[in-house]
Amino acid sequence: DAKTTQPPSMDCAEGRAANLPCNHSTISGNEYVYWYRQIHSQGPQYIIHGLKNNETNEMASLIITEDRKSSTLILPHATLRDTAVYYCIVRVDAGGTSYGKLTFGQGTILTVHP
Amino acid sequence: KAGVTQTPRYLIKTRGQQVTLSCSPISGHRSVSWYQQTPGQGLQFLFEYFSETQRNKGNFPGRFSGRQFSNSRSEMNVSTLELGDSALYLCASSLANQDPYEQYFGPGTRLTVT
Repeated sequence: DAKTTQPPSMDCAEGRAANLPCNHSTISGNEYVYWYRQIHSQGPQYIIHGLKNNETNEMASLIITEDRKSSTLILPHATLRDTAVYYCIVRVDAGGTSYGKLTFGQGTILTVHP
Repeated sequence: KAGVTQTPRYLIKTRGQQVTLSCSPISGHRSVSWYQQTPGQGLQFLFEYFSETQRNKGNFPGRFSGRQFSNSRSEMNVSTLELGDSALYLCASSLANQDPYEQYFGPGTRLTVT
């Protein structure tokens, strides 16, 4: 799986958009980009995924650059409850050593301020 | 639909003892993965089970083992506990191992080894 690089921490004001970047310059053509988050002392929670196109769901939007070497997770109206560690993961189902496995990096600690 | 459940939520053991942790996946999910989370190493993949078979294994010593039952419930066992085994142990289930791939995590078992 391709390696990802994220800033260690970011701040955001409540009600504003939070834009979390992720660099995955070695991503392969068949690797998906996934975002998970982990609120303190809870299990990680799936947010969104994408392959090539931008994606949006009820939680967030995912913007993937045309060359796919980076992406941005957007929380449109951040709330205090969005304070968490956000993980960007790239993955391909290649069988074998990919079965059941997500490779988590250090993630970005997002702090939403009142 | 009920989420992933893990029992117990908290556990204190002494060095040299063994421990068994339990995970019940989301109904219909046949893949169960286990992760260890520590402040120093972050989230690390332990192993994955599918239809009672271990399909993938992370880089952990043989003291860490697991199994899966016919109802997809899974247990992991750690023998001869060491202080460094103190961690949050997370279980995750998924419907299938094919991209796009979503894992649903339980709340974790907090193990403290003294």
